[in-house]
Amino acid sequence: QQQVKQSPQSLIVQKGGISIINCAYENTAFDYFPWYQQFPGKGPALLIAIRPDVSEKKEGRFTISFNKSAKQFSLHIMDSQPGDSATYFCAAKKGSGTYKYIFGTGTRLKVLA
Amino acid sequence: DTAVSQTPKYLVTQMGNDKSIKCEQNLGHDTMYWYKQDSKKFLKIMFSYNNKELIINETVPNRFSPKSPDKAHLNLHINSLELGDSAVYFCASNQQGTEAFFGQGTRLTVV
Repeated sequence: QQQVKQSPQSLIVQKGGISIINCAYENTAFDYFPWYQQFPGKGPALLIAIRPDVSEKKEGRFTISFNKSAKQFSLHIMDSQPGDSATYFCAAKKGSGTYKYIFGTGTRLKVLA
Repeated sequence: DTAVSQTPKYLVTQMGNDKSIKCEQNLGHDTMYWYKQDSKKFLKIMFSYNNKELIINETVPNRFSPKSPDKAHLNLHINSLELGDSAVYFCASNQQGTEAFFGQGTRLTVV
């Protein structure tokens, strides 16, 4: 119930292509779904986040699609660039009074030049 | 101006030693966390403090003891280090309802 399942584990995309990473959750009490980007030797940094009252959120080349009924959400990176090569984590949090983020297992993205 | 800073960045130590990792945040956040990232990049929460009070203590061996002298600092002390403790430890902070900000991590290697 507390897990967030993330796939794929690794992804290789050509420059200019679309990268898609998927996450699924079970706990319907989750109400905040961020995506974090982590470069080697750095801490995770917030990329984009969504709440379940919207089905899509776009920021530049990054889009979250959210399917509440299926309990799934995904990150789309349009026009992927070599600089996007990093590990991406989806996460979920339950309520503003809760202090625990549950992270997915991560996806290592490599964008080929 | 670093928002969440950890020291040291690298720590190499022998089995059985005791070591500490320090974390400070200058964001004015009430909540701070310690996460452990293993070799497969999996991020697992260890502890969470809110206003110096322990809120979350996941199933972490009691060799790990967090201490929060004030809400801007959360330190992690580890006794009797074991090989399996080798990992990257991340400190993070947030304000209720907002995203978590992570530090740069401390790579702990136990030899």
